[in-house]
Amino acid sequence: DAGITQSPRHKVTETGTPVTLRCHQTENHRYMYWYRQDPGHGLRLIHYSYGVKDTDKGEVSDGYSVSRSKTEDFLLTLESATSSQTSVYFCAISETGTSGLHFEQFFGPGTRLTVL
Amino acid sequence: AQSVTQLDSQVPVFEEAPVELRCNYSSSVSVYLFWYVQYPNQGLQLLLKYLSGSTLVKGINGFEAEFNKSQTSFHLRKPSVHISDTAEYFCAVIGGSNYKLTFGKGTLLTVNP
Repeated sequence: DAGITQSPRHKVTETGTPVTLRCHQTENHRYMYWYRQDPGHGLRLIHYSYGVKDTDKGEVSDGYSVSRSKTEDFLLTLESATSSQTSVYFCAISETGTSGLHFEQFFGPGTRLTVL
Repeated sequence: AQSVTQLDSQVPVFEEAPVELRCNYSSSVSVYLFWYVQYPNQGLQLLLKYLSGSTLVKGINGFEAEFNKSQTSFHLRKPSVHISDTAEYFCAVIGGSNYKLTFGKGTLLTVNP
């Protein structure tokens, strides 16, 4: 298994509070991603990173920010949590092949977040 | 832009029966295709991938998929399923040099005794 951990694994918080989720990798992969998974929607990309301090928005980025100060860590912050952000959050990593093309992404175990 | 359609949200089958989970994609460039499996309360695990070469791809746990460019499909098959195959299956695509995966909405495979 790819060395990806997520913390916390479960969190319950209240509306309006800030929340930070952490993804840590030991694979030295350049690319990291945050997804949310909701029933009937599959996985949707929130933000991604293509290097230290290099990040960009995905399809559902409103209400979320990210930071990557070192290769191994990618943080996802909910500035002011809302009930619509109740979800399961997955981190993923990937690396380019010799041709420069990206292959599969490897996923962490997920964080279940409940916003009351 | 690319998109993925998984045609069935739920597929119930009996143990030892064959199964096919359907996936169609759209993309304006060449694609790389993946099937992931998610067991209950777990993360996603790669089942198989198509990058180039043979259009019939074999993966783990006896699954295989066939890339059909003319029909823009990448259906997943298994000739005989087990109870332990009960899980949600996701088809995903990367288009060309874009490194962002686009996922389908998933198909829940339920294998009954």
